[in-house]
Amino acid sequence: GAVVSQHPSWVICKSGTSVKIECRSLDFQATTMFWYRQFPKQSLMLMATSNEGSKATYEQGVEKDKFLINHASLTLSTLTVTSAHPEDSSFYICSARGATTGSYEQYFGPGTRLTVT
Amino acid sequence: QKEVEQNSGPLSVPEGAIASLNCTYSDRGSQSFFWYRQYSGKSPELIMFIYSNGDKEDGRFTAQLNKASQYVSLLIRDSQPSDSATYLCAVVGSNTGKLIFGQGTTLQVKP
Repeated sequence: GAVVSQHPSWVICKSGTSVKIECRSLDFQATTMFWYRQFPKQSLMLMATSNEGSKATYEQGVEKDKFLINHASLTLSTLTVTSAHPEDSSFYICSARGATTGSYEQYFGPGTRLTVT
Repeated sequence: QKEVEQNSGPLSVPEGAIASLNCTYSDRGSQSFFWYRQYSGKSPELIMFIYSNGDKEDGRFTAQLNKASQYVSLLIRDSQPSDSATYLCAVVGSNTGKLIFGQGTTLQVKP
């Protein structure tokens, strides 16, 4: 149980365009979803936390106007990277936490590798 | 002092040996602790969680927690080459409710 999917698994886009990444909890309702970014050989960096039906809370230093997060339902959250630039190239991973998966257990999606050319 | 500290390694053990991975944390109010495994190029996979002092066993994995010493460890018995990965220790912050990750320990199991 506790499966989280992400789509797409990889994407290449041109500088200046926007990219949307979807995160779905497949077998549980995710009251909270988290978005992380990971650069090569580095640890996970939390970008934002979103609760269903409310605005996302962004970590310090993360531009909310650039990384738009929508958590429209208990099973779907989206991250849109607007006006992407090469420095936004990274591995973006979502994770989900829900009441049915335990108090603080958090399950990760498979990640989306974004390359901006 | 980092909130969650792990030795980055690499920790190298022979196949069949016990691998011992350690983690210390600074938030004395933390109550929930997790171990994730991350293969290169993949996302983290939850392998163990522990909330109470003592040991918790699941197959070849044993998590150990000592809240007084603010220390959590993961033992992997009968290590296999497929266990070679980065192991991330994560602690739920008592004020934020968010997972705080250590830098991870790279484990290499040599055949």
